[in-house]
Amino acid sequence: AQSVTQLDSQVPVFEEAPVELRCNYSSSVSVYLFWYVQYPNQGLQLLLKYLSGSTLVESINGFEAEFNKSQTSFHLRKPSVHISDTAEYFCAVRVYNFNKFYFGSGTKLNVKP
Amino acid sequence: EAGVTQFPSHSVIEKGQTVTLRCDPISGHDNLYWYRRVMGKEIKFLLHFVKESKQDESGMPNNRFLAERTGGTYSTLKVQPAELEDSGVYFCASSQAGVGEQYFGPGTRLTVT
Repeated sequence: AQSVTQLDSQVPVFEEAPVELRCNYSSSVSVYLFWYVQYPNQGLQLLLKYLSGSTLVESINGFEAEFNKSQTSFHLRKPSVHISDTAEYFCAVRVYNFNKFYFGSGTKLNVKP
Repeated sequence: EAGVTQFPSHSVIEKGQTVTLRCDPISGHDNLYWYRRVMGKEIKFLLHFVKESKQDESGMPNNRFLAERTGGTYSTLKVQPAELEDSGVYFCASSQAGVGEQYFGPGTRLTVT
C-alpha cells in the first residue's frame, strides 16, 4: 500500500524568506511523485512532477523539489516566497502504470508581508 | 479550452437527504476520476471511469454512493441517503491518457447537517 505524509499542516513565512514543505512517502513499489497547489477558490493545479531522470525538478514559478529515494522524500523548496504563493500544497504519489493518486493531507503556506 | 467544471460549488443538506454532484471533464478526456477530502485530511481516491465504464471503484466508501457516466461525457456522484461523515470536498479530475496528467476541478463542498 502507498501512503504520503506531510508533517506540517501549516507553514507561516515572511515574504522573501525561503521555505521548505516536507513530504515523505511509503511504497513497496516504484512511484511517480507530484506536488499540486490549490489557490483559494480554485482547483488543484500541478506544480511539478518527478517521473524519471534528474532527481531535482523545477516549476516555472521558482519552486523545486528533490526526489530522495533512500529517504523516501520529495520536499518542496523555494528560496524566496511571494505573497502570491499563499495556497495549500499537496504532495502525491502514483504507482507506475496505475491511475489513481495517493495524496498527503496538505500544507497551508501562509506568506506574510 | 474549458477546464474541469463541477456543480454545485457548495451544497448543504440534512442527514438522510439525497445529493447529486456533477462533473464535466475536459472535452475529449476519456478518463474521469472522483476524489474526496474529508475535514482537512488527505484527498482520497473514490473511483475511475474510462469512458462510461468503471475501471476502478475501490475507493467508494459504501453502497450509499453511486457514480455514473452515461455516454462517457459528464459524470454524476449521488449520495443517498447522506450521513454526517459524508461532509467534505469532492474533487473531480480528468485525463486524456490513462497515466497522463490529471486535471482537477475546483471541487464541490458538501455539508451534511
